[in-house]
Amino acid sequence: QQPVQSPQAVILREGEDAVINCSSSKALYSVHWYRQKHGEAPVFLMILLKGGEQKGHEKISASFNEKKQQSSLYLTASQLSYSGTYFCGTRPSNFGNEKLTFGTGTRLTIIP
Amino acid sequence: DSGVTQTPKHLITATGQRVTLRCSPRSGDLSVYWYQQSLDQGLQFLIQYYNGEERAKGNILERFSAQQFPDLHSELNLSSLELGDSALYFCASSPEGNNQPQHFGDGTRLSIL
Repeated sequence: QQPVQSPQAVILREGEDAVINCSSSKALYSVHWYRQKHGEAPVFLMILLKGGEQKGHEKISASFNEKKQQSSLYLTASQLSYSGTYFCGTRPSNFGNEKLTFGTGTRLTIIP
Repeated sequence: DSGVTQTPKHLITATGQRVTLRCSPRSGDLSVYWYQQSLDQGLQFLIQYYNGEERAKGNILERFSAQQFPDLHSELNLSSLELGDSALYFCASSPEGNNQPQHFGDGTRLSIL
């Protein structure tokens, strides 16, 4: 089951904050976040495992609420370099043959 | 540079033809994944190999097949190509472990005329 991301697209001015949400109809074991710039390969941002932990990477952080089967990605004081499409990928279990299913993506555009 | 190498970068061919896409994973990575990304679409998982064995399968068409060789490089074979197969095909690799980051290659852009 493909996770649902919201919003589908958002335009922000440099310095504003953004929140991208990822929801699943299935129980989740892990949520993976990637960013893809236009015409480039997806780049790994972070992984959150079952347990509700929050992770951070400079001004980008994320939370994982396993009870709600949701994850949110927070971009603080956005920079022009944050523009791109953000994908969440979810795994329902830790079994070795469980694939990572990506959401449809959220297109983030940062303008000066 | 992710360390994952995909060749060729671009491929233009006709309907009904067969092509082979190649992927060399990062040094030390045992898992290789193949994804298809159509224009402005998400990443559709095709198949995963781990140390030469098929580990997980997505919605991969019967016309598509893949394998991972003893040196861990992988090939994705697409046959009886149709216009709808035009897409960006990504390969990714990861170390051992179920929840490791996947590192993506630059992709092969396949155009069917």
